[in-house]
Amino acid sequence: SQQGEEDPQALSIQEGENATMNCSYKTSINNLQWYRQNSGRGLVHLILIRSNEREKHSGRLRVTLDTSKKSSSLLITASRAADTASYFCATDATHGSSNTGKLIFGQGTTLQVKP
Amino acid sequence: DAGVTQSPTHLIKTRGQQVTLRCSPISGHKSVSWYQQVLGQGPQFIFQYYEKEERGRGNFPDRFSARQFPNYSSELNVNALLLGDSALYLCASRWGFGTGETGELFFGEGSRLTVL
Repeated sequence: SQQGEEDPQALSIQEGENATMNCSYKTSINNLQWYRQNSGRGLVHLILIRSNEREKHSGRLRVTLDTSKKSSSLLITASRAADTASYFCATDATHGSSNTGKLIFGQGTTLQVKP
Repeated sequence: DAGVTQSPTHLIKTRGQQVTLRCSPISGHKSVSWYQQVLGQGPQFIFQYYEKEERGRGNFPDRFSARQFPNYSSELNVNALLLGDSALYLCASRWGFGTGETGELFFGEGSRLTVL
């Protein structure tokens, strides 16, 4: 079962515009990660934010985390056609000393950036 | 350095058959996990292996099994295939198996299985 939901399911913008994707989850987490997937290929890790962090930046990416609302957002600034892909949030809900290495993924947001 | 490699990239099977998918992790990575991604959905966790032992299992039937070899490569086996097993099967690796947190995973390009 999926941990949470992503919103919107699909997003279409023009090159140069900003893209914002949201992710909600259900249980307490250690961290939340964002991944990118091009056309049903492998996933590429973008950024990880821990439960005690509120905001993190990496290049044109900005991630926020609100643990009280169990939600996160990914902002891609100055988007490019090459940013066209599906974006997934994933939560690490491991608790205790055992670590199953399990990430729980959302259903993803499909982003299209038009040149 | 080579990333995570998976084989085969595509395969077609019929219902009731068995399939074996293979994964080689990034050199130095000792942990391998398997995910199933049905079209239009996010990946779902199947197994994690570390040091040749199963360390985590998702909500999948016993038809799914896996193993890890001394060189840390891994195989995923699915028996008695059903139409619903059609999916992209993703392998991911990471270096360690620390307590308390699952960090960044490095994914392969996946094996796309079609069951007819």
